[in-house]
Amino acid sequence: KAGVTQTPRYLIKTRGQQVTLSCSPISGHRSVSWYQQTPGQGLQFLFEYFSETQRNKGNFPGRFSGRQFSNSRSEMNVSTLELGDSALYLCASSSQGGNTEAFFGQGTRLTVV
Amino acid sequence: GQQLNQSPQSMFIQEGEDVSMNCTSSSIFNTWLWYKQDPGEGPVLLIALYKAGELTSNGRLTAQFGITRKDSFLNISASIPSDVGIYFCAGPRNSGNTPLVFGKGTRLSVIA
Repeated sequence: KAGVTQTPRYLIKTRGQQVTLSCSPISGHRSVSWYQQTPGQGLQFLFEYFSETQRNKGNFPGRFSGRQFSNSRSEMNVSTLELGDSALYLCASSSQGGNTEAFFGQGTRLTVV
Repeated sequence: GQQLNQSPQSMFIQEGEDVSMNCTSSSIFNTWLWYKQDPGEGPVLLIALYKAGELTSNGRLTAQFGITRKDSFLNISASIPSDVGIYFCAGPRNSGNTPLVFGKGTRLSVIA
């Protein structure tokens, strides 16, 4: 059974640009959550999608958005990039979300210059 | 909101030693998850705990769900160099379909 796949692994963007990251969950999993990880703040929850609907949202500005497709694949988008958006972006897949176990992808390392 | 406090923040141990780390919260958790993260990689789930008092092992790793439901412990026996990494505890914020909240991690270094 394939694990969680995130693409791309690495990305360098310039301030003001936008970026789209992709996550393919484990087959059969319907919940995809996104996290931002930085050395100072640890793992911060961005949002969760379940069956194509955003079910939970963290405290991030509107520049961060996401969506989920009918095959459960998810994308997140960050517009008007800022230097502080440089981080490891992780997606986690679980069958139902909530109290069920979450499995992470390898992450996308975004560097904003 | 709910916070998970992990201690110690970092530790340096000799290869072969046993390791203990813990995670505490001011709120009750119904699930505790322990993850390990290697540099540049995503966290890997090590152990999941669902019941107060539960003790679960995964090879050299043993984790316990505290009786008060406000804490959890992870022990590693006979550490080896590949145990190096950051260990995170996590749990869902509330009951139902709420997202996981993570501790800030314990960074483990093993000296050969």
